Order: sequence, then C-alpha cells, then structure tokens
Amino acid sequence: ETGVTQTPRHLVMGMTNKKSLKCEQHLGHNAMYWYKQSAKKPLELMFVYNFKEQTENNSVPSRFSPECPNSSHLFLHLHTLQPEDSALYLCASSHPTGTSGRTSYNEQFFGPGTRLTVL
Amino acid sequence: DAKTTQPPSMDCAEGRAANLPCNHSTISGNEYVYWYRQIHSQGPQYIIHGLKNNETNEMASLIITEDRKSSTLILPHATLRDTAVYYCIVRAFTGTASKLTFGTGTRLQVTL
Repeated sequence: ETGVTQTPRHLVMGMTNKKSLKCEQHLGHNAMYWYKQSAKKPLELMFVYNFKEQTENNSVPSRFSPECPNSSHLFLHLHTLQPEDSALYLCASSHPTGTSGRTSYNEQFFGPGTRLTVL
Repeated sequence: DAKTTQPPSMDCAEGRAANLPCNHSTISGNEYVYWYRQIHSQGPQYIIHGLKNNETNEMASLIITEDRKSSTLILPHATLRDTAVYYCIVRAFTGTASKLTFGTGTRLQVTL
C-alpha cells in the first residue's frame, strides 16, 4: 500500500462511452500526476497538477480531460476514446518543494493503476 | 533531463547480489539519480536516489562514480520478489512538482 488508491482497477468501455478514472491520495501531498503505460512502452507523463493547478499537459488529446478538485483527488474523464488508448493509467503524488524530509526530492508515490480496454 | 542508458535485461540467482548499471554521461551538476522499479502490472515504486555520495537504505544501495557519469543499484540479497523492471532516472530538483521521464529500464529476473 502506497497511500495512493485508484478506482476502478479495470475498465472496459466502448468508443462512444464516457467514463472517469479516480485517484485519491492519503499522504498529504500537493502534487498529483497522470501517467499512461501502453503495452511494451515506457511510462508517459500525461498531466501534472501542483496545488490543484495544472502545470503540465504533455500534448494529450482532448478526449482525456483531467480534473483536480482538491489536493487529495484527481480525476481523468474519458470520452470518445480509441482502441489505441487501451493502456494502464497510473496516478502518482508527491510532496511539493520546500517541505522537509527526503520525500521532497521528487519521490513520487504511485497507485496500482487502472487497466483500461477500449473496444 | 539527462538521458540514461541501461541494459534491457539481467538475471540474478536468488540470494546473490544484483548489480544494475546505469550510464548517464551527460548528467548536470544539479541532477539527481533516482531508481524506481515496477513489478508486473503494478505502479512503479521508489527505491533510492542520490546526488554524488553513495546512498543506502533498507531496500538497496546506490553507488555513483566520482565523475557521476554512471551509477549502480545494488540489491544485496535478491529474492524472487525483486523480479521487476528497474528504471534509472536523472532529474534536477527544480523546486516544483516535476515529472519523471521513464525509459525502458532493465528487466531483472531473479531465479532459484
């Protein structure tokens, strides 16, 4: 258990469906991240949120829409996805800078991921 | 961020030390070396990080060469549960929420 939970763990959806992935962290972190891991490819960063503000969008298509209502929750809203969007979607969190302790040094805590299949 | 190079795969017998190398010849003075691992279909797990001194924690040791162009992650007594993909990442501590750029890593297979 890393303190980062993701739901659902598995999701199958059609190309016309709308669904959302949820991430919650119980670590008091203020930075949260979405990553995508396609089969046999490295993890790719999608979005970064710092204190609820999006600070990075890594050229992600608009069919992926993130939302960060507070520092503990992060959502990824999905609509009109394509089969090639099938992947493991991972959420992570980290401390902001300026805090004390080793965990300020870019140590990211990852959730277990959501395995998404788009039919 | 500096680029890293790792062997694609390695084998290690259970109970022996696993030494995973990483080259980062273009590392800058303010960049740290991080190691993460990912057990099959799980989220990556932080292992250790360092700047220029060798580091040790309950999971592993990190040896960084004096010129900082390469490093080695050491798992002193590998177990079957250490079978995973190990990622070496070089990243500056920027002072803000910052991304980690994962490469393809080294797939470590621990065998009986």
